[in-house]
Amino acid sequence: EPEVTQTPSHQVTQMGQEVILRCVPISNHLYFYWYRQILGQKVEFLVSFYNNEISEKSEIFDDQFSVERPDGSNFTLKIRSTKLEDSAMYFCAIGTSYNSPLHFGNGTRLTVT
Amino acid sequence: QQPVQSPQAVILREGEDAVINCSSSKALYSVHWYRQKHGEAPVFLMILLKGGEQKGHEKISASFNEKKQQSSLYLTASQLSYSGTYFCGTGFWSGAGSYQLTFGKGTKLSVIP
Repeated sequence: EPEVTQTPSHQVTQMGQEVILRCVPISNHLYFYWYRQILGQKVEFLVSFYNNEISEKSEIFDDQFSVERPDGSNFTLKIRSTKLEDSAMYFCAIGTSYNSPLHFGNGTRLTVT
Repeated sequence: QQPVQSPQAVILREGEDAVINCSSSKALYSVHWYRQKHGEAPVFLMILLKGGEQKGHEKISASFNEKKQQSSLYLTASQLSYSGTYFCGTGFWSGAGSYQLTFGKGTKLSVIP
């Protein structure tokens, strides 16, 4: 059983629409991360989340992005107004401490048309 | 800020050895190694903390030279299952006092019969 489940596995949306990507860890973890990977490219850090707040974010994570953990279990990434260049695989990753191994979800493939 | 990996790609015959290097311009606290197979999420291989330790996992081992801010991943007697893209992740403390893990562009390893 995977440590973390991501939904949906594939999301197609039109440019300008809002999308919410979800991540559900199987057990209690303290550290949450979102990464994205444009097809064939490297895994890029977006944001880290600890103790119900953002601890670090990259230049990619601009005002169009937000994260929250609304109910103490689901961890969500929202993109308010999607752009074509947001098309990518988005991975949620979880860790038990700041320096623990990361367990990645299977990812959500976002396609913006 | 992202670590630099070399080589970008390598092709091996089964049984051959390979070394993948990862270097950073920042003072590192840790180095993570992950392997990603096509269409799948990255999978954790090992983590090395500062102190110059070396770790092993069957025929895959890694070293971390804290002074040189470098890490190397050693794959010996490669198997077909070793094929994939290997990412190093470098952990460091940001200026804001938070911990960040950033991945390199990856090294694509192909093992052929």
